[in-house]
Amino acid sequence: GENVEQHPSTLSVQEGDSAVIKCTYSDSASNYFPWYKQELGKRPQLIIDIRSNVGEKKDQRIAVTLNKTAKHFSLHITETQPEDSAVYFCAAPTGGGNKLTFGTGTQLKVEL
Amino acid sequence: DGGITQSPKYLFRKEGQNVTLSCEQNLNHDAMYWYRQDPGQGLRLIYYSQIVNDFQKGDIAEGYSVSREKKESFPLTVTSAQKNPTAFYLCASSLGTATNEKLFFGSGTQLSVL
Repeated sequence: GENVEQHPSTLSVQEGDSAVIKCTYSDSASNYFPWYKQELGKRPQLIIDIRSNVGEKKDQRIAVTLNKTAKHFSLHITETQPEDSAVYFCAAPTGGGNKLTFGTGTQLKVEL
Repeated sequence: DGGITQSPKYLFRKEGQNVTLSCEQNLNHDAMYWYRQDPGQGLRLIYYSQIVNDFQKGDIAEGYSVSREKKESFPLTVTSAQKNPTAFYLCASSLGTATNEKLFFGSGTQLSVL
């Protein structure tokens, strides 16, 4: 079936290092790829998204890249800070574009 | 962060009991969604509604029911048929019905079985 796979499930980096989280999707018709951040005990919030007509999008320290041929997209966080510690979810449309399917999440821990 | 409110924050269910989780939004959003969050399994879609008096099953609808009698409200009932209900439940809404709309999440309800 249509799904979204996310790796790694946990990621630990030193403060100041970069972090990369990767997702793959199966529905070739998917055209929108958001990333949500969920801090401990809080609700998920959209941090960045990308549409299929561009290959990269940046917003300060975060960026998302998209490879439509390979059907994968990645979240890049540079100069990581302790407040970046959270669970990150990718998502992509499935079911003919009628619904959004989320990846299983990545627990990012930024260590001092 | 306001605009979409879930209650209660914690809920306990006895075996064989139905329980209802509340979700209200004052954002005038057309679409509303219910997700279940389990450790290591991400967010799984239970039900969604794109318009009043209409809703569709998501990926894991068995054992759940919903209603959408008002635009602002989308309550979720966890029935006794749901054999493993312990999870964190998140309600969300979006302005439009397309999948490229930003989702606004509530603060969640933690449901546990007594």
